[in-house]
Parts: sequence; structure tokens; C-alpha cells
Amino acid sequence: QVQLQESGPGLVKPSETLSLTCTVSGGSVSSGSYYWSWIRQPPGKGLEWIGYIYYSGSTNYNPSLKSRVTISVDTSKNQFSLKLSSVTAADTAVYYCAREKVEEAGSSFDYWGQGTLVTVSS
Amino acid sequence: QSVLTQPPSVSAAPGQKVTISCSGSSSNIGNNYVSWYQQLPGTAPKLLIYDNNKRPSGIPDRFSGSKSGTSATLGITGLQTGDEADYYCGTWDSSLSPNWVFGGGTKLTVL
Repeated sequence: QVQLQESGPGLVKPSETLSLTCTVSGGSVSSGSYYWSWIRQPPGKGLEWIGYIYYSGSTNYNPSLKSRVTISVDTSKNQFSLKLSSVTAADTAVYYCAREKVEEAGSSFDYWGQGTLVTVSS
Repeated sequence: QSVLTQPPSVSAAPGQKVTISCSGSSSNIGNNYVSWYQQLPGTAPKLLIYDNNKRPSGIPDRFSGSKSGTSATLGITGLQTGDEADYYCGTWDSSLSPNWVFGGGTKLTVL
């Protein structure tokens, strides 16, 4: 059974960089059939896709966040990470890591981490 | 403002049927497969439907999905109190900068 677990600081100061790591167990980030994604959900609001990374290192980011986002992968640790720079209170959210299963037909997020709340405040 | 439009809330009695709509455009639903997610209170979203109408292993056949043109629909029959949750549709948007988009979510209340 694939499991994903987010880790990182729960409190970040405005203008600083938010950094989170997702550790994958029961599966490999080196598998060619999946994209490894970050998705966030502000309190009381809906889901927003942040971006994904493929095991090769290729990435795709939400255009609205692209200038501030970096997603990287460490295949030796079976982890992938998110960095979001110049954060403001609007970046306060529960951050989820998820696996996007890519097939010939389409794709979907078949496994999710439990989520971690990151609050931006001084 | 979400790219995909869902009703904010729907409600029905236990045992009844409910449908949740998801409206988009030719750049997203019209040319891509739709998936649906169930988010129970305080938990992470869970995949309910993928490729418009397929159910992952373990999802009961009370849940169904369909797509027509630029709209998709999630159906739930035999409603149970445990179905009370937020439901989200999602798909790729193949615009100038391809990215994944979600609906704003629909809160299902089982009266």
C-alpha cells in the first residue's frame, strides 16, 4: 500500500520560504508511471494544484504560482520537496502531497498524504 | 473563482439519490478526462471516480460518473450519513500553460 507523508515547519514568517518534504513508502518516486504533486487547500476553501515533478526531474507548475515555486525530487531518499518563496498570509493552507497516476486515457490523484497545515504569520 | 463550476451545496435524504454537476469548457472538461474526489471532514481527499466513469478498487457502485461535452456529473445512490462530505471534480486544462484545475467543491448534506 502506497503511503505519502508530508513534513516541515508549521509556521513560516511573511516574505520567507516555505519548505515541505513528502516521503513516499510502499512505492517508488522513480516509477515512470506517476507524477508527484503538491496541492494546497486554504482553510475553508477548495483545492489548488501547485505543481508536479517526474522522476526524471521535469516539472510543471501552476501558472499563478510559477514564479515562486520549486519542486525537486530525491530518488535516493524516495522523497520529493516543495519550496514556495516570498510567502504571505494568502499562502496559509493545508498542503498535501499526492501521486498522480498517468495512463493513456487520463490521469488522477490516486494517493494523498494526510496534509500538513502551514500558517504564514510573524 | 474556480475554473470548474460546481454547486456549493446539495442535500437529500438517506436512501435517496443525488447528482453533483461540474461545468467547464473545451480547454478542460471538453477535451480531458474528469476525476472526482471525496473529502470527509478533517481528512485528505480520496479518489472516487477517474477517467470520467471508472471506480478505483474499493469504491462501491453507488458512486458513478459521467461526462457530456463540457460538463461532468457525479451520481450517488442509496445515500448514507457517512456520505456527508465535500466533493470535488478535477481535470487538466490544456490552455496556453497546461495545469490541473479543480472545481470549487460541493458540500453534500444527508438530511
